Amino acid sequence: QQQVKQSPQSLIVQKGGISIINCAYENTAFDYFPWYQQFPGKGPALLIAIRPDVSEKKEGRFTISFNKSAKQFSLHIMDSQPGDSATYFCAASLSPGGYQKVTFGTGTKLQVIP
Amino acid sequence: DAGVTQSPTHLIKTRGQQVTLRCSPKSGHDTVSWYQQALGQGPQFIFQYYEEEERQRGNFPDRFSGHQFPNYSSELNVNALLLGDSALYLCASSLARVENIQYFGAGTRLSVL
Repeated sequence: QQQVKQSPQSLIVQKGGISIINCAYENTAFDYFPWYQQFPGKGPALLIAIRPDVSEKKEGRFTISFNKSAKQFSLHIMDSQPGDSATYFCAASLSPGGYQKVTFGTGTKLQVIP
Repeated sequence: DAGVTQSPTHLIKTRGQQVTLRCSPKSGHDTVSWYQQALGQGPQFIFQYYEEEERQRGNFPDRFSGHQFPNYSSELNVNALLLGDSALYLCASSLARVENIQYFGAGTRLSVL
């Protein structure tokens, strides 16, 4: 069964702190792991993504850490800001010839307090 | 450049009715995927259209059907609505030659009473 498990369900972080969201997957055939950010009333937006041949990817304040042997990956948000308050979804997909069926985690609602 | 647009934004139906949701993909995109997002949950893949054909399908009953038009826009149809069909329906578009980068619309909020 293709599942992606995500934790925690909700997270409160002080401004300037580090937000950490964890995910685990089951299907070892997954080869693309994106993170999406969703604000209320909006659709998910791609934030950052990683492939399993890389252990870490950093884009600005956002870093993905990937542990292929443990089938786990995580999102770190450095220097968290109130504007980062949103719901974050990890996801995983196969790349069968460009058909991008994406399996999402259950989401983490992040609140960054001033 | 317009992104993914969906219509309507909100919809209220009663059990047993049928509904059609519409999606216009981002300019230049040829693949449309539909997702159902229940309150407090992650999006669940319904199906994907490419070259006017359904290419992949998630674990949804045949009451859920779709169509893609020559201009790449798409419709999602749901027949015999159930209370459990109440959700946010998201459309995502992508370019088949560029793997795994999907752009989502803001969704259609469907309420079934």
